[in-house]
Formats: sequence, structure tokens, C-alpha cells
Amino acid sequence: DGGITQSPKYLFRKEGQNVTLSCEQNLNHDAMYWYRQDPGQGLRLIYYSQIVNDFQKGDIAEGYSVSREKKESFPLTVTSAQKNPTAFYLCASSITKAKYLENTEAFFGQGTRLTVV
Amino acid sequence: AQSVAQPEDQVNVAEGNPLTVKCTYSVSGNPYLFWYVQYPNRGLQFLLKYITGDNLVKGSYGFEAEFNKSQTSFHLKKPSALVSDSALYFCAVRERGGNTPLVFGKGTRLSVIA
Repeated sequence: DGGITQSPKYLFRKEGQNVTLSCEQNLNHDAMYWYRQDPGQGLRLIYYSQIVNDFQKGDIAEGYSVSREKKESFPLTVTSAQKNPTAFYLCASSITKAKYLENTEAFFGQGTRLTVV
Repeated sequence: AQSVAQPEDQVNVAEGNPLTVKCTYSVSGNPYLFWYVQYPNRGLQFLLKYITGDNLVKGSYGFEAEFNKSQTSFHLKKPSALVSDSALYFCAVRERGGNTPLVFGKGTRLSVIA
């Protein structure tokens, strides 16, 4: 069953603690993305990666880190430097090769809700 | 820079009536445009997209959207709303020819009242 899997669904973080959110896809997509969703603010881009071993900062990268060691995986670490991490985090993937331009939509996982306790 | 505006935070419509959720966009070149729907505590589900060709695009669950280049708009429509259409709707844009991520609007909450 193809798709994007995010885990865990719910995550609780103590003050000063780093936590890692998992995102795995078996769609053979080149590009992967992390978005943060807050009420009334829509989706804001944290980081994205278009190819293995390469990634770029999005609009709100401060306090976050990522890695892309495998095509299928794009984990997001929320560090202690992120002062307001409570939010809903969404991972997505898409095809980027030019010959597949008709299929440019992104596919999303079910999200991870992170809460600071 | 790319941007999307969804001017209405909330749209209320009676069941069986037509619905419209508005979206305008800004890109420096030609756009790819998308609509997604989100149910509570879930990820985004793809509804439809405009790539090229016919300005009227048909998608999932009876939704359609019309691309209007002169007005830089891509409004989502449905002829007859269902209570089950109640959800959060997002418009997104990507500039054609680039590998940039989708840029999303802030979302519009649709409430269909029985």
C-alpha cells in the first residue's frame, strides 16, 4: 500500500528536549517537504529536499534540523532552540523530474501533533 | 515570490446550495494551481489541479475550479454542497518550470449546514 507514513501521531516534548519526527514514503518520489500548521496561519515550509543528501531551508527553519540519507526517509528534529514548537507537523513528497510535470501535486502524511509539556 | 490569498476565513452554506471558496495567487511566471482538503487531525488530501489546457478543472467528490489568468484566481466550486464537505480547504501554487515547493494559502473553513 503506497503512501507517506508519519510517526508518531502524537508527541510530547519537555522543555529543553530535542525530539525527532519520522517521515517515510514508498512512492519513489524525489522531493520531500516538512510543513508546520498553526491555527489561522495555514502551512508554512520548514525544510525541503529535492534529492538525497541535499536539503534547503524553508521560511521557518530556525530551531529545526533535517537529514536525507535515503530517498525514502526525511526525519525532522525539533531542537531546544525552537521556542514555540507546539504545532501540527505535516510531511509531504512529490515527483520533480520534468517528464512527470503533469504529476506535480504533493502527497501528504497524516501528520504529527507535537505538544510541549 | 509566490503567494496565495484566501480572503475568507470561513464560508457557510446550506446543504444543497452551490458553494464557492475563493483563491487568488501571485507568481512571476505561469502557475500550477492546486486545491487540497483537510479533515480534523488529518493530513491534506489532494482535490484537483490546474496544469494547462481547459480553464475549468474537475476533481474529486464533485468539486471543480476555474482558472482565470486575467484575475489571477482559481476559485473552488461545487454545484450542490453536502454536510460531509465541511472541512478546511487550502489553495496552493507552484511556479511552472521550477522545482520549488508548494506555497499554501491560510485556508478557508467550509461549514455546510443541514
